Amino acid sequence: TQLLEQSPQFLSIQEGENLTVYCNSSSVFSSLQWYRQEPGEGPVLLVTVVTGGEVKKLKRLTFQFGDARKDSSLHITAAQPGDTGLYLCAGHLGGATNKLIFGTGTLLAVQP
Amino acid sequence: NAGVTQTPKFQVLKTGQSMTLQCAQDMNHNSMYWYRQDPGMGLRLIYYSASEGTTDKGEVPNGYNVSRLNKREFSLRLESAAPSQTSVYFCASTLLAGGADTQYFGPGTRLTVL
Repeated sequence: TQLLEQSPQFLSIQEGENLTVYCNSSSVFSSLQWYRQEPGEGPVLLVTVVTGGEVKKLKRLTFQFGDARKDSSLHITAAQPGDTGLYLCAGHLGGATNKLIFGTGTLLAVQP
Repeated sequence: NAGVTQTPKFQVLKTGQSMTLQCAQDMNHNSMYWYRQDPGMGLRLIYYSASEGTTDKGEVPNGYNVSRLNKREFSLRLESAAPSQTSVYFCASTLLAGGADTQYFGPGTRLTVL
């Protein structure tokens, strides 16, 4: 059962454009992470959000955790070709383990 | 520091063959994980090991076995490979056993079962 749905699945934009990726669930998460994966490599953590309503910025990337801790968004301002990759959200349901539920992924291509 | 290493990088098997995917981390992490990644499905947890000497099933454990050989190494075995097991396999590790700790991933093993 897929608990985390991401939209859009694919996104192809021109350099300099803005974009938003959404991560939605009917489950409440104790925290949520965003990873970026480049071709032929494993995912790399970008950010962890913990508090409902929390906003974190990482240069041109802005991450928001929904007030009810069921959803999250990633906004990229003035996208660069170096932002190209697969973006994955991952929710932690809480408890004594580090098990994550990964989203379906958003494949972003930024054309120069 | 190599981080998380996986071998092999690529493998082609025939249906019914067996193989073991190897994973090692040099970060003194306590917990290790095996995922598979399929198009449109994100990453799905196969098995995990919260600490040395323990292993538990994840979301999709059928057809797989694991061994936490020591704190550094966590292997994934396919006893009788099936075409449905064609996928990219990732190993990951975390320092902490609990909480939303950062997961560090290896480069993956691309497996094709004919």
